[in-house]
Amino acid sequence: AQSVTQLGSHVSVSEGALVLLRCNYSSSVPPYLFWYVQYPNQGLQLLLKYTTGATLVKGINGFEAEFKKSETSFHLTKPSAHMSDAAEYFCAVSSSGGSNYKLTFGKGTLLTVNP
Amino acid sequence: EAGVAQSPRYKIIEKRQSVAFWCNPISGHATLYWYQQILGQGPKLLIQFQNNGVVDDSQLPKDRFSAERLKGVDSTLKIQPAKLEDSAVYLCASSLGRYTEAFFGQGTRLTVV
Repeated sequence: AQSVTQLGSHVSVSEGALVLLRCNYSSSVPPYLFWYVQYPNQGLQLLLKYTTGATLVKGINGFEAEFKKSETSFHLTKPSAHMSDAAEYFCAVSSSGGSNYKLTFGKGTLLTVNP
Repeated sequence: EAGVAQSPRYKIIEKRQSVAFWCNPISGHATLYWYQQILGQGPKLLIQFQNNGVVDDSQLPKDRFSAERLKGVDSTLKIQPAKLEDSAVYLCASSLGRYTEAFFGQGTRLTVV
């Protein structure tokens, strides 16, 4: 079975500071990994994804994440936070389970950006 | 490219009533998902369709929830009868297929009183 653990349900940073949102996964097969962002009263929007190849992936709005197989991690970072980054962020993992494909989400991390 | 369309956006019903949600996925997307997102939690997969066949409904409360995907395109999710704990946002998503990213609709916020 696959699972995702997001460390910290709430992260607060100052505008211009580094953003680091942590995600660890469990999967019995090579995973595909995703970060989604959700603004209030909206659906989820894909920030970035890792499938194969380069382990450092860049996404929209200046975010990036690094796949570290040895640490089973896929942490999300952004060098300088903007007020508009305030939202909830979800890490997700997909892997084949028999003939089925499943996308499993973590519980989310709420990012607050202080002026 | 049009996104995933869901309706209604909001719904308030009394417990024991029935409710239905509709989803129109992105054209050409074979995979369709229904997720339940309770306040403060991550989305939980209720059911996954591949074309018009169900490939995963292991977390669907089948005594009260049902879903169908008509002709491999639109889908409806029904709850009958609703319970207070069904209050949540119901998200529909679609993807081209396996291992590709899912695109989400704006969701339907259900409040059961």
